[in-house]
Amino acid sequence: DVQMTQSPSNLAASPGESVSINCKASKSISKYLAWYQQKPGKANKLLIYSGSTLQSGTPSRFSGSGSGTDFTLTIRNLEPEDFGLYYCQQHNEYPRTFGGGTKLELK
Amino acid sequence: EVQLVESGGGLVQPGRSLKLSCAASGFTFSDYYMAWVRQAPTKGLEWVASISYDGGSTYYRDSVKGRFTISRDNAKSSLYLQMDSLRSEDTATYYCTTDRDYDYFDYWGQGVMVTVSS
Repeated sequence: DVQMTQSPSNLAASPGESVSINCKASKSISKYLAWYQQKPGKANKLLIYSGSTLQSGTPSRFSGSGSGTDFTLTIRNLEPEDFGLYYCQQHNEYPRTFGGGTKLELK
Repeated sequence: EVQLVESGGGLVQPGRSLKLSCAASGFTFSDYYMAWVRQAPTKGLEWVASISYDGGSTYYRDSVKGRFTISRDNAKSSLYLQMDSLRSEDTATYYCTTDRDYDYFDYWGQGVMVTVSS
């Protein structure tokens, strides 16, 4: 199975700042990476798929980049609703696998 | 608005069975692959099983093969997960999701908790 490693595990930032979350695959997954947001009491939300394609409804302050084994989720001009957990998931091979998560907290 | 509502979770003893259900609305259910994804307490997400549009193809992670059965009823817009021979390591919140092109999970329910313990 493809192992997905996210860094950092925890990240503290303030509204208005920009942050980056990294995801590394144990082998090349081409461009096929998705990003999800998880918040307590809410359904998980797909943000980005195929590395950089924004899901309908995802604000433009979110962007995804990378290919091969290294990927980045960037959130510019953080809004209060952006704080939560973020997961990456490869969709190049089966079984599909997720990263361990990054907790984005308010500084 | 897409809605996925899971039910059927609870506390069950090791070796026993449980059946999860997911009621879907707000989209054409038969147009989507569907999946179950789980999350053990304080852990990350883990894909469990997927099913094709008409139920003709099913896919499972190795650790649940032979114990779990995914099924669907398109007339009722419902997804199911029959879980047999449950183990403590199956303890998790189980999410019903749409499975876009058997690639990524575009809509999620809020999840249902399953606890396997004596």
